[in-house]
Amino acid sequence: QQQVKQSPQSLIVQKGGISIINCAYENTAFDYFPWYQQFPGKGPALLIAIRPDVSEKKEGRFTISFNKSAKQFSLHIMDSQPGDSATYFCAARRKLTGGGNKLTFGTGTQLKVEL
Amino acid sequence: NAGVTQTPKFRVLKTGQSMTLLCAQDMNHEYMYWYRQDPGMGLRLIHYSVGEGTTAKGEVPDGYNVSRLKKQNFLLGLESAAPSQTSVYFCASSYVGGEKETQYFGPGTRLLVL
Repeated sequence: QQQVKQSPQSLIVQKGGISIINCAYENTAFDYFPWYQQFPGKGPALLIAIRPDVSEKKEGRFTISFNKSAKQFSLHIMDSQPGDSATYFCAARRKLTGGGNKLTFGTGTQLKVEL
Repeated sequence: NAGVTQTPKFRVLKTGQSMTLLCAQDMNHEYMYWYRQDPGMGLRLIHYSVGEGTTAKGEVPDGYNVSRLKKQNFLLGLESAAPSQTSVYFCASSYVGGEKETQYFGPGTRLLVL
């Protein structure tokens, strides 16, 4: 059962364009929504994150839009650059009984930014 | 700081062999996690630990065991490897408290089981 659905699976954008990746979730117990960026041969690295009581968060060229009622959130990459070519994962966090937290990941979007 | 490191980077096993993957972190994080990453499936939690001497099962724990004897280390063991365990394994750690309880990932171990 995929609790976090991510689309598209792959995306090709021209340099300078806007990249948009969408995610939808089901579990209302999720309390934090990070996005991770992963380059080939590397581990995922936190890119940007948002709380569910905030509708938008911007950090540089990266913006998360969050729609709590629709249970959807998206990542926008403005002025996309070839160096942004990577796999992007959305995730949703839930606190675990006894401590720790569990991240449920989307299936990933492979972004390629062409010159 | 090295952050989260994993050993080995790559390993080939034959079905039925055993091995241990080592994860180490130098950030004094309380929580540590083991994930596997498979094509089209994102990352799935295998086991996790909320402190030294404690471990708990994630969503895909079968065929794996873990130990956290020291705060900075988290070991993942495969007692009898199966081809279905061919995957890329990532370790992660996070600190306690605050809304930004974000997980920091290691570089991964690529495992091939023949």
